[in-house]
Amino acid sequence: QKEVEQDPGPLSVPEGAIVSLNCTYSNSAFQYFMWYRQYSRKGPELLMYTYSSGNKEDGRFTAQVDKSSKYISLFIRDSQPSDSATYLCAMRAGGFKTIFGAGTRLFVKA
Amino acid sequence: DAGVIQSPRHEVTEMGQEVTLRCKPISGHDYLFWYRQTMMRGLELLIYFNNNVPIDDSGMPEDRFSAKMPNASFSTLKIQPSEPRDSAVYFCASRSGKALTNEKLFFGSGTQLSVL
Repeated sequence: QKEVEQDPGPLSVPEGAIVSLNCTYSNSAFQYFMWYRQYSRKGPELLMYTYSSGNKEDGRFTAQVDKSSKYISLFIRDSQPSDSATYLCAMRAGGFKTIFGAGTRLFVKA
Repeated sequence: DAGVIQSPRHEVTEMGQEVTLRCKPISGHDYLFWYRQTMMRGLELLIYFNNNVPIDDSGMPEDRFSAKMPNASFSTLKIQPSEPRDSAVYFCASRSGKALTNEKLFFGSGTQLSVL
């Protein structure tokens, strides 16, 4: 079993829809949770970061962490075609070893 | 800052050949990571360095893979001999360890490796 599980999709939604992306994990030591966005032929870029459980909002993006369920989510409101990308969850424990999910490919149709 | 710089951008080689991938991290970053990305396995951590010292190489698939960091501004990932199953995009990333609240890994543009 992988430490981090993420549905690879693809996920296709119409413009303006609310998008929900999720990951589950098995290592209870993970404390730092991130979402990266990766456009085609580019390296991943950090989108959101959350420490421990709770919610964090940044514009149209909301990240949620539920450590009791070992479940993290990213919500995108009013999705735009420019949001079309691969979204990777990532997490780490106390050290610097960051583990990534497989990534979910998102397509937002105009 | 130019960001993390990787070379070459693309590499096509034949099975059995030696391949060397190069990375220049962002100046001042003391952590450097090598990742491999494939459709089947996603983004896998191969090895990471702190202050030029390898800290965790448990993700290196086998002895054919080796990585070095001779100084703070340069790292290599070598595959010898290469095999078709090594075909993937290899990413280098760096970060500063000074600010634990700053989680940002800075990735290079990757090297697309094709082993025929």
